[in-house]
Amino acid sequence: EMQLVESGGGLVQPGGSLRLSCIASGFIFSDSEMNWVRQAPGKGLEWLSHISRSRSSIYYADSVKGRFTVSRDNAKKSLYLQMDNLRPEDTALYFCVREAGLGDDALDIWGQGTMVIVSS
Amino acid sequence: DVQMTQSPATLSASVGDRVTIICRVSQSIDNLLAWYQQKPGRPPKLLIYKASSLESGVPSRFSGSGSGTEFTLTITSLQPDDFATYYCQQYHGYPYTFGQGTKLEVK
Repeated sequence: EMQLVESGGGLVQPGGSLRLSCIASGFIFSDSEMNWVRQAPGKGLEWLSHISRSRSSIYYADSVKGRFTVSRDNAKKSLYLQMDNLRPEDTALYFCVREAGLGDDALDIWGQGTMVIVSS
Repeated sequence: DVQMTQSPATLSASVGDRVTIICRVSQSIDNLLAWYQQKPGRPPKLLIYKASSLESGVPSRFSGSGSGTEFTLTITSLQPDDFATYYCQQYHGYPYTFGQGTKLEVK
């Protein structure tokens, strides 16, 4: 079964940092382009970041550019999101998501998400 | 950035109904649009990719159409399991963007 499992969420004060992790199984992680997407409580989906297979292409949403850093370790089948200078508006469920590949970039595998709460 | 306008925000329907959700895009994205279904407490699930291709395992009552700037998701003969929130998403270019969502509720 193809699966993504996120971890690392929690309660953090404004201005603080968190590092989210995502471990992949059931597919060839090193062949997959990966993304982070978040969803604030009761709100819609917001794409945050993309990293290519070889880490050569990285993109961010303007809302997190300069504060969040995406990375990956293909040997460990893991995706990361380093989140610095967190703000209350970053409170959300964070999903690790795979792009389908094979000529299509739709988001076909989603983790269950890890919750981040930014509050004093 | 590509802006997505999804309508309606809420749709009330009954089991057996045929419903259509519209996604309008601020610039042409060819056919690089996906539709997702999300139920409470669950991650989104890919239904349709490349505007009209049905993801493996998704029932054939779901269909997508459109290209360029206007797209539709149609569900024929609604089933109880279909009441959920639906999102469109463009992947023509970064930043990827989602529609605001359409909540499909029981009439």
